[in-house]
Amino acid sequence: AQKVTQAQTEISVVEKEDVTLDCVYETRDTTYYLFWYKQPPSGELVFLIRRNSFDEQNEISGRYSWNFQKSTSSFNFTITASQVVDSAVYFCALSENSNSGYALNFGKGTSLLVTP
Amino acid sequence: KAGVTQTPRYLIKTRGQQVTLSCSPISGHRSVSWYQQTPGQGLQFLFEYFSETQRNKGNFPGRFSGRQFSNSRSEMNVSTLELGDSALYLCASRESTEAFFGQGTRLTVV
Repeated sequence: AQKVTQAQTEISVVEKEDVTLDCVYETRDTTYYLFWYKQPPSGELVFLIRRNSFDEQNEISGRYSWNFQKSTSSFNFTITASQVVDSAVYFCALSENSNSGYALNFGKGTSLLVTP
Repeated sequence: KAGVTQTPRYLIKTRGQQVTLSCSPISGHRSVSWYQQTPGQGLQFLFEYFSETQRNKGNFPGRFSGRQFSNSRSEMNVSTLELGDSALYLCASRESTEAFFGQGTRLTVV
């Protein structure tokens, strides 16, 4: 069975600080996809990044970067120089490659508050 | 392209009633999934439709059902509403592996 754990329930930082959101996952599949979504107060889940299980290359996209390590089953997400607009709930999600679809298994989310 | 559109945005129903929620996916996307979000259980997968066929189903009772039309628009129905069905219901459309979500329908059962 799949499982996604986001141990950090709430994080509060001051603007311009860097912040890392942790995500640990469990799966028996060798092919899977990992995602980060952002949910602002409006409720919509905004897609941020996707990583395939067979590609451990870490990347940076603007102020976002991620660290995917299969050895520790972790997929951490970092926001550099945080801004007030980054305040939201962030969800890590896991999806297996399946002929029956790509159901997302979400973690409980981390609420990020960025204060001026 | 227009995003995923869900209607209505807010809904108040009484226990025992039924409700239908609608989702229009991004143009060209043939897969539509539904999720329930509650403070206690978090985000949970309900079901996924692809080309008018249910392809995958989460662990929810039979009161929760859905369908997809030939234009890929999807509806979700909940019958015999219970207080615990109060939640944000999110619809997602997908072309490949990334799912794009609508703003959701907030259902309150009283």
